[in-house]
Amino acid sequence: ETGVTQSPTHLIKTRGQQVTLRCSSQSGHNTVSWYQQALGQGPQFIFQYYREEENGRGNFPPRFSGLQFPNYSSELNVNALELDDSALYLCASSLGDGNYEQYFGPGTRLTVT
Amino acid sequence: GEDVEQSLFLSVREGDSSVINCTYTDSSSTYLYWYKQEPGAGLQLLTYIFSNMDMKQDQRLTVLLNKKDKHLSLRIADTQTGDSAIYFCAVPSGGYNKLIFGAGTRLAVHP
Repeated sequence: ETGVTQSPTHLIKTRGQQVTLRCSSQSGHNTVSWYQQALGQGPQFIFQYYREEENGRGNFPPRFSGLQFPNYSSELNVNALELDDSALYLCASSLGDGNYEQYFGPGTRLTVT
Repeated sequence: GEDVEQSLFLSVREGDSSVINCTYTDSSSTYLYWYKQEPGAGLQLLTYIFSNMDMKQDQRLTVLLNKKDKHLSLRIADTQTGDSAIYFCAVPSGGYNKLIFGAGTRLAVHP
């Protein structure tokens, strides 16, 4: 069984640029959630996708957007990058939109300069 | 909204037991989770407990839940240097399983 994978591992961008992060969910999982983890903090929920539809959103501005594809892989897009967007971005997959265990990928470390 | 709090640091001697504590505010949570994060890595699901249970044991790990006090703890028996990591308590919030995390407890194991 393949676990959750994310790409790229590391990324350096300049303020004002746009970035796309990718996530492949664990086999059989139809739900993907994205989290932002700033240095020294716990992960903060960005949004969740269930069967290609956004299923919930945290307290993040609209410049954070996402997609889920028919194979349940997902993208996180961030426009107009700000310095405070520097963080570890984690995706997690789960079996459904209910109270199921979420399995995390290794994360993408984004640095905005 | 949901709030989850944890103490930030714990230092134990190798071979001793570690107890990591967590308090939460949302009593409607059905599952409560413990995750482990090693340096530079993602989160590893360690264990979880269903809200109608008081205790769950899984090898060296014991989870205790006090619903009345909204207190969750993780005990690691015979703590090893490989257990050094940050441990996060996570509680679902909202109907779609959004996880609210504590700030994490950094466990340091010394000889």
